[in-house]
Amino acid sequence: AQSVTQPDIHITVSEGASLELRCNYSYGATPYLFWYVQSPGQGLQLLLKYFSGDTLVQGIKGFEAEFKRSQSSFNLRKPSVHWSDAAEYFCAVGLYNQGGKLIFGQGTELSVKP
Amino acid sequence: EPEVTQTPSHQVTQMGQEVILRCVPISNHLYFYWYRQILGQKVEFLVSFYNNEISEKSEIFDDQFSVERPDGSNFTLKIRSTKLEDSAMYFCAVPGQGQETQYFGPGTRLLVL
Repeated sequence: AQSVTQPDIHITVSEGASLELRCNYSYGATPYLFWYVQSPGQGLQLLLKYFSGDTLVQGIKGFEAEFKRSQSSFNLRKPSVHWSDAAEYFCAVGLYNQGGKLIFGQGTELSVKP
Repeated sequence: EPEVTQTPSHQVTQMGQEVILRCVPISNHLYFYWYRQILGQKVEFLVSFYNNEISEKSEIFDDQFSVERPDGSNFTLKIRSTKLEDSAMYFCAVPGQGQETQYFGPGTRLLVL
């Protein structure tokens, strides 16, 4: 069955430090992969996506993610975290042979220390 | 990026009552999706709707749920007889230009008492 795993429930980093949020997926075909961010009480904002081609994708707010097929991973990175990056981050896989639904991971809550 | 609004932003209802949640995309879409997020949990797929028909639904989407496109633009999610466990944030989503990417509305927070 298709699934998405985000092993880290909560991560705390210092402002200005680098960040990596992990995401592993289980899917038989080449996946469509996404990262969304959710601020408290808000909706989901798309950070970036991967469909094919270059395995390193750039997104908004200085985020990037790298698709590694051999590791079934799509980790999100940012070289220097800002206090405004504190939020919940969700990795998702798109199943376009199943009505286009997205399967989400459990989310990683990011806290930023001053 | 398509804009999506949802109404109401918050709804409180009594158990057993019917609720209708609305999604209004700014531009015409054939596809739309509903998801829910129980507090503190992950976002879960409920149903996808294409060209006025359900194309996929999850096991959560039982007979108590229905979706409609009542007037050609709005999309609705109806819960016929709400249960306590229906308390959640409900999001609608519509695809972008390439259809592969979904853009989410701000959500409706439903509280069933």
